Amino acid sequence: ETGVTQTPRHLVMGMTNKKSLKCEQHLGHNAMYWYKQSAKKPLELMFVYNFKEQTENNSVPSRFSPECPNSSHLFLHLHTLQPEDSALYLCASSQEPPYSSYNEQFFGPGTRLTVL
Amino acid sequence: GQSLEQPSEVTAVEGAIVQINCTYQTSGFYGLSWYQQHDGGAPTFLSYNGLDGLEETGRFSSFLSRSDSYGYLLLQELQMKDSASYFCAVQDSNYQLIWGAGTKLIIKP
Repeated sequence: ETGVTQTPRHLVMGMTNKKSLKCEQHLGHNAMYWYKQSAKKPLELMFVYNFKEQTENNSVPSRFSPECPNSSHLFLHLHTLQPEDSALYLCASSQEPPYSSYNEQFFGPGTRLTVL
Repeated sequence: GQSLEQPSEVTAVEGAIVQINCTYQTSGFYGLSWYQQHDGGAPTFLSYNGLDGLEETGRFSSFLSRSDSYGYLLLQELQMKDSASYFCAVQDSNYQLIWGAGTKLIIKP
């Protein structure tokens, strides 16, 4: 247990569906992150939040919409996804701000997303 | 573009020593981190090198040479539970973590 939980663990959705991924951290951290992990590819940073404010959006398509209502919760809203969006979506948090040189991140177990 | 190179797979024997290399090409550098990920699990932090040299944490050590844009993770006294994927990650000039594709470590009895 890393102190970061994600729900659901598995999700299958059609291209016209709307769904949301949830992440919650119980570590008292102020920075949270969304990553996409595809097989045999590097983790791709999608979004970064620091004290509930979005600080990075790495050219992610608008069909992915993040929301951070407070420092403990992070959502990723999904709509009209494509089959190539199928991947493991990982949430992480850190005690250090995203702009610090030492930035140990604590990851959740991920949501395995399949888009049909 | 920015990239990190590490072997896709390494095989070793239980009790042995294995080294996983990582070379990087990034715009700026603020540190090299290593993470471990078991199948179906979350990546977990192993080590961080901000300066050149060797950092040791139990059976695991990590090395960095900034002049060579190179680092490695050294695992000693390998145990079956060390079978996992190992990722190197570099913080670039924007403090973003740029990740390698991971090295799958297979340990044989």
